[in-house]
Amino acid sequence: NAGVTQTPKFQVLKTGQSMTLQCAQDMNHNSMYWYRQDPGMGLRLIYYSASEGTTDKGEVPNGYNVSRLNKREFSLRLESAAPSQTSVYFCASSALSFGGTGANVLTFGAGSRLTVL
Amino acid sequence: LAKTTQPISMDSYEGQEVNITCSHNNIATNDYITWYQQFPSQGPRFIIQGYKTKVTNEVASLFIPADRKSSTLSLPRVSLSDTAVYYCLVGGGATNKLIFGTGTLLAVQP
Repeated sequence: NAGVTQTPKFQVLKTGQSMTLQCAQDMNHNSMYWYRQDPGMGLRLIYYSASEGTTDKGEVPNGYNVSRLNKREFSLRLESAAPSQTSVYFCASSALSFGGTGANVLTFGAGSRLTVL
Repeated sequence: LAKTTQPISMDSYEGQEVNITCSHNNIATNDYITWYQQFPSQGPRFIIQGYKTKVTNEVASLFIPADRKSSTLSLPRVSLSDTAVYYCLVGGGATNKLIFGTGTLLAVQP
């Protein structure tokens, strides 16, 4: 049981390049999330998807786009990377469904470390 | 959205009990309180979750007073391997939007 899988684990980009971070979960979870964590800082929510077919902005959505491809996969795209986007990106998923209430426990992936030069 | 406030850092020694308190004054009726642990270069992992009163599992206890405006994570007899950042997260009520606070860096010394 892999849980939440993120690819790639490491990536170096030049300013202006684009790339997509992939995330897949095999727990049949409804909600999926993308967070970024800068060195020595806490987690900041970029985008989330409360159910297949829906996406919503988090705290820091500028410069990013997301796609909830199906129930399993949630990708994060940087269209024109900037040095300020150098960070570790974490994908997470939760069983809680859209509009549902209750015990929302997040399962995180191992992270994708992105450096923009 | 419930905003959480935690101490930035705490120090302890091996074998001691550690209590980390989180303040969440605007917690919603349906919100749960969840604590996560994060080691360097790893994603956070679930420790414990509760709604009210006291919850205990094999690694920690969670104390929630009746007004639910705060919660306390209790780690019994910490060891060096408990050195990590601990996050209190409140949510699961009116929204799926889960915002983390700053977390508490716990440093355990020999």
